Amino acid sequence: GQQLNQSPQSMFIQEGEDVSMNCTSSSIFNTWLWYKQEPGEGPVLLIALYKAGELTSNGRLTAQFGITRKDSFLNISASIPSDVGIYFCAGHLYNNNDMRFGAGTRLTVKP
Amino acid sequence: NAGVTQTPKFRILKIGQSMTLQCTQDMNHNYMYWYRQDPGMGLKLIYYSVGAGITDKGEVPNGYNVSRSTTEDFPLRLELAAPSQTSVYFCASSYGPTDTQYFGPGTRLTVL
Repeated sequence: GQQLNQSPQSMFIQEGEDVSMNCTSSSIFNTWLWYKQEPGEGPVLLIALYKAGELTSNGRLTAQFGITRKDSFLNISASIPSDVGIYFCAGHLYNNNDMRFGAGTRLTVKP
Repeated sequence: NAGVTQTPKFRILKIGQSMTLQCTQDMNHNYMYWYRQDPGMGLKLIYYSVGAGITDKGEVPNGYNVSRSTTEDFPLRLELAAPSQTSVYFCASSYGPTDTQYFGPGTRLTVL
């Protein structure tokens, strides 16, 4: 199936640092979504992007829908301990609207 | 609104046993989905439904069945459990095909 390549796999950062993660694919997507998952919970939507080039912020989070529609990034500024979790990119495929998920970026924030 | 609820939270099955994972949503969403999440991986779509009476296969449907007799409920059936089906199963729902999907808390299934 169509793959979403998410990187990095994991990050260990100091509180206050900025974080950047991204997803790329060889397929075109209609939407790009960023979810956060905490242990024992389902994913929770952070940001949804619907147009190529769209740049959207949600508090300290900023995400962009790549111009080629094949990539997206998520930035977290001034990280805090509660940012710890696994961040997933996801998107709806251009040809059939099936949703695909990346493998996740595990974020650890040291106080 | 309770959102998306799933039962049970945990289950251990023996190889060859069958079970049904329950999913209910009270948001009047048309679309419902079942995903599985293996350790260290993202979610993979098993089956989805665009409305009552309509279901379709996702990326990894083998070994599973679904039904959608009402808007609210979307049960997932495992007929002959296999160790490869050990995973965490998430149900989700959305209003439309590209609208935000809301996820349930998951069912952790172990097949021994």
